[in-house]
Amino acid sequence: AQKITQTQPGMFVQEKEAVTLDCTYDTSDPSYGLFWYKQPSSGEMIFLIYQGSYDQQNATEGRYSLNFQKARKSANLVISASQLGDSAMYFCAMSGMDSSYKLIFGSGTRLLVRP
Amino acid sequence: DAGVIQSPRHEVTEMGQEVTLRCKPISGHNSLFWYRQTMMRGLELLIYFNNNVPIDDSGMPEDRFSAKMPNASFSTLKIQPSEPRDSAVYFCASSSGLKETQYFGPGTRLLVL
Repeated sequence: AQKITQTQPGMFVQEKEAVTLDCTYDTSDPSYGLFWYKQPSSGEMIFLIYQGSYDQQNATEGRYSLNFQKARKSANLVISASQLGDSAMYFCAMSGMDSSYKLIFGSGTRLLVRP
Repeated sequence: DAGVIQSPRHEVTEMGQEVTLRCKPISGHNSLFWYRQTMMRGLELLIYFNNNVPIDDSGMPEDRFSAKMPNASFSTLKIQPSEPRDSAVYFCASSSGLKETQYFGPGTRLLVL
């Protein structure tokens, strides 16, 4: 069975600093995808970044990068130069690519950016 | 480009009433997913469709829940009869394929009194 673990219920970061949100996963699928979504207080789910299990390089999207360590089964999100608008819930998710296409979500990390 | 559209955005109803949630996926996307988000259980996949065909409905909690996708641009999630424990935010998401990134709608916040 697939499982996503986010061990940080809440985090603070100072504006303009970088922050890392942790995510570990467990799966028996040889091929899978890892995703990060942002959920601001308004409630919508916003896709941030994707990493495929066979991708050789870590994914980057603007200020977001994914620190993918396959052997450790971790897929941490790094946000550089934090902004006040980054304050939100962040969810790590995983989908199998060979059999089950269900997107399994972690419990989320609430990030608060301090001015 | 229009994203995933859901209606209504908010719904308040009384226990026992029928509730219908609607979703219009992104044009050209052929996979559609229904999720439920609660404080206790987080985000759960209820059912998903590919090319309008239900693929996996194992997440549907009870027979009171049903979902349809009559065409590529429309899906409904129906709860009949509704119960207070159905109160949650219901998200619809779509993707260009089962293996592709899912894009979420704004959600429907349902409150059953």
